[in-house]
Amino acid sequence: DVKVTQSSRYLVKRTGEKVFLECVQDMDHENMFWYRQDPGLGLRLIYFSYDVKMKEKGDIPEGYSVSREKKERFSLILESASTNQTSMYLCASSLRRQTQETQYFGPGTRLLVL
Amino acid sequence: AQTVTQSQPEMSVQEAETVTLSCTYDTSESDYYLFWYKQPPSRQMILVIRQEAYKQQNATENRFSVNFQKAAKSFSLKISDSQLGDAAMYFCAYRIFTGANSKLTFGKGITLSVRP
Repeated sequence: DVKVTQSSRYLVKRTGEKVFLECVQDMDHENMFWYRQDPGLGLRLIYFSYDVKMKEKGDIPEGYSVSREKKERFSLILESASTNQTSMYLCASSLRRQTQETQYFGPGTRLLVL
Repeated sequence: AQTVTQSQPEMSVQEAETVTLSCTYDTSESDYYLFWYKQPPSRQMILVIRQEAYKQQNATENRFSVNFQKAAKSFSLKISDSQLGDAAMYFCAYRIFTGANSKLTFGKGITLSVRP
């Protein structure tokens, strides 16, 4: 089974702090994604990566950056956390060679910015 | 731009009954994939079912089936013999057929409750 793990289930940070959210997958997937999930808004794509050191902006990249130094790890960085970044963050991965490309999700990190 | 619309924020079904969750989408592409994902409370999101647009036959996975109407751009999920474990948030999603940029576009989701 594919396993996608995220470093924290719950995180509380203060405004202005630098925040790192880590995601690791163990199935050699090329593609990795970061979403945020907010009530009434569904999932919105922040950034994605289809290879090591490659990244592309999603629909809402402002205020975020990402890092993919190794194939299995994709980090989401909040350079200076703000209260409007309080949200649930979901990581996902998929195998690019597989045409149907099911995305496999991690358990999520619920971030509260005070 | 592609959009996915789930117009009903909440639905409720009696255990053992059948429920249909609606989804419409907008695209100019002719080939694409459609998905239903399930997110149980405090648990990971998982794939329920997927449909390739070029296939006329509706996808089925055990108690879950879809009604795919390509011309109407409609993709509804039918859950038969509903169980308490079906209570979750359900997301409809769309992806273009080809390309390295395999982005999914999600709807806003619908919360399904199952009454015992």
